[in-house]
Amino acid sequence: AQSVAQPEDQVNVAEGNPLTVKCTYSVSGNPYLFWYVQYPNRGLQFLLKYITGDNLVKGSYGFEAEFNKSQTSFHLKKPSALVSDSALYFCAVRVRMDSSYKLIFGSGTRLLVRP
Amino acid sequence: GAGVSQTPSNKVTEKGKYVELRCDPISGHTALYWYRQSLGQGPEFLIYFQGTGAADDSGLPNDRFFAVRPEGSVSTLKIQRTERGDSAVYLCASSEGLAGGLINEQFFGPGTRLTVL
Repeated sequence: AQSVAQPEDQVNVAEGNPLTVKCTYSVSGNPYLFWYVQYPNRGLQFLLKYITGDNLVKGSYGFEAEFNKSQTSFHLKKPSALVSDSALYFCAVRVRMDSSYKLIFGSGTRLLVRP
Repeated sequence: GAGVSQTPSNKVTEKGKYVELRCDPISGHTALYWYRQSLGQGPEFLIYFQGTGAADDSGLPNDRFFAVRPEGSVSTLKIQRTERGDSAVYLCASSEGLAGGLINEQFFGPGTRLTVL
């Protein structure tokens, strides 16, 4: 079955420290991978995507993600966390379904950055 | 410019009632998606429109759920005979392009929180 997994329900990090939010996927064919962030009472916001090319993808708000084909992972990273980064983060993968494509989302990881 | 908007932001209804949830996509976006997000879960795909037609409705849980997009812009998600298990946040997203919108990022609305008592 095609799926995406976020193994951590919550990640805690101190402000200024690097952060990593993990994501692994299982798809047939080449994966198209996305990260979204959700702030309270707001819609999901796109952070970055991997389609092809460089394994290190840079996105919004200083976030980046590293695509690792051998480990089927797409971990989200930031060199120096901010308190304002505290939010719910979702990894998603595109899958082919009949005549169209759709996104399958992970269950989300809550990031808590303490001052 | 304006993003994706959804109305109402909150809807409380009683079991067995009919509800309609509205989505106004970003102007010019041809692809429109509905998702359902239950507490503690990621968004779950319901239905995808390309223009006026439902290109993929495989995510609709049963025939109580139906969605339309008659003019290729605004979409309405309709739920008949609501059940308590329908309680969730219903998210709408839109995207450019004809490639199923899955190369271009999807822009999400703030969602409608549906509570069925």
